[in-house]
This record gives sequence, structure tokens and C-alpha cells, in this order.
Amino acid sequence: QSALTQPASVSGSPGQSITISCTGTSSDVGGYNYVSWYQQHPGKAPKLMIYDVSNRPSGVSNRFSGTKSGNTASLIISGLQAEDEADYYCNSYTSSSTYVFGTGTKVTVL
Amino acid sequence: EVQLVESGGGLVKPGGSLRLSCAASGFTFSRYNMNWVRQAPGKGLEWVSSFSSSSSHLDYADSVKGRFTISRDNAKNSLYLQMNSLRAEDTAVYYCAREDCSSTSCYPGAFDIWGQGTMVTVSS
Repeated sequence: QSALTQPASVSGSPGQSITISCTGTSSDVGGYNYVSWYQQHPGKAPKLMIYDVSNRPSGVSNRFSGTKSGNTASLIISGLQAEDEADYYCNSYTSSSTYVFGTGTKVTVL
Repeated sequence: EVQLVESGGGLVKPGGSLRLSCAASGFTFSRYNMNWVRQAPGKGLEWVSSFSSSSSHLDYADSVKGRFTISRDNAKNSLYLQMNSLRAEDTAVYYCAREDCSSTSCYPGAFDIWGQGTMVTVSS
């Protein structure tokens, strides 16, 4: 199972909105509404930000949202803040009953 | 407090074995699907294995299939990962992660609780 494809880096100024894409295949992202997103700060464990494509866990800011179209899922961060600077990973359930993570995206707040 | 604490990491030679443990507290461990996820130094996340709450379903990534064995002891609120035939490419921080579940269903891939991780280094 190959990793899902994400851009290596995305940047934006405070207050702006950015979008991180996550491209897979019909056997993972495109086949199920089980895409999740994780935020990871250096040296820390990942944190769940979005699950089931667009649902936010309790306590996660509503500045984070998720969508999916075909084989590509997206994480949108609106009103970018300094604390959003981190690595972000998508994850999808697959037709093999396994999971696959994305390659990861480093978000930089300019 | 809901918590996962991994242990058992360390330095091992290629071809060697290691057993990781994950102690859960603050929630009803038996009701949740549990997973292992790893992260090689400076690299991304890689899902390794999962064990369903009903103990009826186990899965492995192709990269570890046949070498790693996941198990759980609900009486001890613990998850384990037996790692055999270790290779240099298995060097990583290994995280234990809980898959979120409601009273009626689980949310595939929604790993809502993570441990702090335990480092495994495979080197001669």
C-alpha cells in the first residue's frame, strides 16, 4: 500500500486560509468516507483534527475543516494562527481493511 | 485521565526480537479497537497493526506481516506488539493509538488517544 500523496509544504500568513490536499485511489480515499487528519508538533504525538472526512472531535477549533472529492481529500485551515505551524498527515481506511497515512505536509506560518 | 503509556523499546541487533507494551488507563479498554503506528526518525507516520475490540480482527501492514504479532490482554488493559526478525528499517518511534468508538460503533481511522511513543533502534 503506497502512502497517500500530500504536498511537502504549505505556507500562509496569519489570518489567511490554506488547503492541504491528500490524493489516493479508489481503493482508499475514493472508496470510503473514512479519511482523518492529524496535526503533529515537533517531538509530540499526533493529534486527531478531523475524522470521517469532515467531522471535528470535541475541542478542535472550527477553523479546521475537511472535504473530499473523488480520490482527493482536503484539510482547510482558516484564520491561520502561529500555533497551527506543524506537520499534518491524512489517513484513510483501505480496501484491504488496513490504514494508510499520507506523506505529510509541513505548514509554515509566515 | 485517559492515557496510553508505551514501554519496551530499546536497541536491538538486526534479526533480533523485541516486545512492546502499551498500558491503558482511564477508559474501558475492552470496548476499543487498538492500533500501533510508527514514525522513523525525520519521516512520516506509518500504520503498523490493529486489533479489534472483539478480538476477532487483526490486521498488519505489508511491511511487517509475518514478522510482527499484535495481541491484547483486556484483563490487564494492555496492548502488545511482538517484533521478530527486526531490520534496520524498523527503527522508529512506536505509538499505541486508540480508535474512537461510540456506544454503538467505531470510527475507522479516528485515532483519538495516543501514547508518548517508545523508541526502537535496530542496529549492529
